[in-house]
Amino acid sequence: DTAVSQTPKYLVTQMGNDKSIKCEQNLGHDTMYWYKQDSKKFLKIMFSYNNKELIINETVPNRFSPKSPDKAHLNLHINSLELGDSAVYFCASFGGGADTQYFGPGTRLTVL
Amino acid sequence: KNEVEQSPQNLTAQEGEFITINCSYSVGISALHWLQQHPGGGIVSLFMLSSGKKKHGRLIATINIQEKHSSLHITASHPRDSAVYICAVRSGAQKLVFGQGTRLTINP
Repeated sequence: DTAVSQTPKYLVTQMGNDKSIKCEQNLGHDTMYWYKQDSKKFLKIMFSYNNKELIINETVPNRFSPKSPDKAHLNLHINSLELGDSAVYFCASFGGGADTQYFGPGTRLTVL
Repeated sequence: KNEVEQSPQNLTAQEGEFITINCSYSVGISALHWLQQHPGGGIVSLFMLSSGKKKHGRLIATINIQEKHSSLHITASHPRDSAVYICAVRSGAQKLVFGQGTRLTINP
């Protein structure tokens, strides 16, 4: 069973569109994250939720809105997509006595 | 300047060589992680350290809290070790700050 899953794996869309990326973890973890990896492969945290509550919100444009319907899910909705949003987005989870974060497989977003 | 710096940025070695990747950080941390990202893109956590040394198979990670420095060593390197190795430090609220990664290539 996949511990942290993301859908879709690839997303190609036009500038100006609105899109969502979904993340689910079956580890029973309380904390979930969204990270962005840019074209230079540099990872940077975007958001963190603990038990459905936002605890970290880095300087991310408000076009990005995370939503956590329950502690097993953290979805990322992006409005008015821009070329600079093209990147790989990773979801991760942490908790339950684990000593590390578990990463999803990533979603490669390409904005044309 | 990034809060987490890795060296070298790129490393090419022959199979069997002993590999060392370094990580220096400038902030107070509660833990340091070493991650591995394979060419396919997936990220796997290798170690989490808050002090001393950990070993897993051919991989060894050390940390010196006073010097704010960590090293990842690979013994008897193999082509399947080729990947990007990323150092990340954890500070407050479970936030991870990442280094820029070290691209390791092991030639047969």
